[in-house]
Amino acid sequence: SQELEQSPQSLIVQEGKNLTINCTSSKTLYGLYWYKQKYGEGLIFLMMLQKGGEEKSHEKITAKLDEKKQQSSLHITASQPSHAGIYLCGAPYLSGTYKYIFGTGTRLKVLA
Amino acid sequence: NAGVTQTPKFRILKIGQSMTLQCAQDMNHNYMYWYRQDPGMGLKLIYYSVGAGITDKGEVPNGYNVSRSTTEDFPLRLELAAPSQTSVYFCASSYGGLADNTDTQYFGPGTRLTVL
Repeated sequence: SQELEQSPQSLIVQEGKNLTINCTSSKTLYGLYWYKQKYGEGLIFLMMLQKGGEEKSHEKITAKLDEKKQQSSLHITASQPSHAGIYLCGAPYLSGTYKYIFGTGTRLKVLA
Repeated sequence: NAGVTQTPKFRILKIGQSMTLQCAQDMNHNYMYWYRQDPGMGLKLIYYSVGAGITDKGEVPNGYNVSRSTTEDFPLRLELAAPSQTSVYFCASSYGGLADNTDTQYFGPGTRLTVL
């Protein structure tokens, strides 16, 4: 079965520092979604990547999907306390189905 | 728009009790999903629905049942609660199917369930 592994599992950074979270798939991805979850709340969609080599940015967050479409990275520039939370990647289980899998999440803490 | 709403927010059940987790969306989305999130783990799909009257199993359907009589509502039923069902449950909806890779899911705030 397809799995998504995220690294690191947790991250503590000083405010203003840059950081990167990775999401690696055991199989080719047909789409990759990034979400943010604040503690005790639901998930909020950040961005979606579809094509190999694609890169998207929103404010200080940039996500990339590698050419082989098996790994994605999420990069935060000049982190702020508001970036704290759990970041999850998600992907359709198999092309053509409505099933969906998630990574185990990366817990980010930003120290002021 | 309220988006995706879930009730209750918290619930404690005794082993063997039953309950229904409610989920509603007001975005006229065709697709709805139920996930569970265990501590330190990602989300796992329990059941999903592609439209009123149509439901299907996800990764971890055992111990749960769903129904979809209207577009708006997608309740999740636990018949005989077990400690293994202690988790946070999230409902989500999307307009299109995720296999199209053109749409995203909107999540509810979650229901935190403890089975003792």
